[in-house]
Amino acid sequence: DAGVIQSPRHEVTEMGQEVTLRCKPISGHDYLFWYRQTMMRGLELLIYFNNNVPIDDSGMPEDRFSAKMPNASFSTLKIQPSEPRDSAVYFCASSFRGLAGGHEQYFGPGTRLTVT
Amino acid sequence: AQTVTQSQPEMSVQEAETVTLSCTYDTSESDYYLFWYKQPPSRQMILVIRQEAYKQQNATENRFSVNFQKAAKSFSLKISDSQLGDAAMYFCAYRARPNNAGNMLTFGGGTRLMVKP
Repeated sequence: DAGVIQSPRHEVTEMGQEVTLRCKPISGHDYLFWYRQTMMRGLELLIYFNNNVPIDDSGMPEDRFSAKMPNASFSTLKIQPSEPRDSAVYFCASSFRGLAGGHEQYFGPGTRLTVT
Repeated sequence: AQTVTQSQPEMSVQEAETVTLSCTYDTSESDYYLFWYKQPPSRQMILVIRQEAYKQQNATENRFSVNFQKAAKSFSLKISDSQLGDAAMYFCAYRARPNNAGNMLTFGGGTRLMVKP
């Protein structure tokens, strides 16, 4: 399997612009997570989905952030309008609730977002 | 709410030596999972090792092993025969056993491990 795929790997945009980050989870995984990593706040969970349904979005910082999962193989995280404080590395992760209940989360390579 | 604390922002070890990274956590749950993730300069988050709280035996993966002390809520990672490729950020993470309450990972602040040749 190719693992979790994220695109783009790097994104540089100007303040006020819309940014869309993309994620393809591992095939067969039924959970998908979006995290943000910054020096100041470390790794924060933004939102997660189970079977394409958002379960907990309490980590989404504000209304400028939105996430969707239209099908089992694709999710987007959108920031509109973007601000310099949104600069961070955004990770997507997926996991599978198998019989063993292990639920290891497998992470994508991340998208480094810079908002100028 | 669960919290995970890594009290060592940075650690260094001589190549081929052994190093232990500390992690403590706070939870009111009795059943849960604990993880160590490695993040090298490439930024990729790589699962190193997993421990189920109901298992008394400490998990081991090759040169990596844990010392799980449930009563003390401590979960340290020991790296034996350290290699240059072990240099990375290491994150301790906690997750309650999956149930209706959710499936979220709570991460510690990380420990940067440097390996000296």
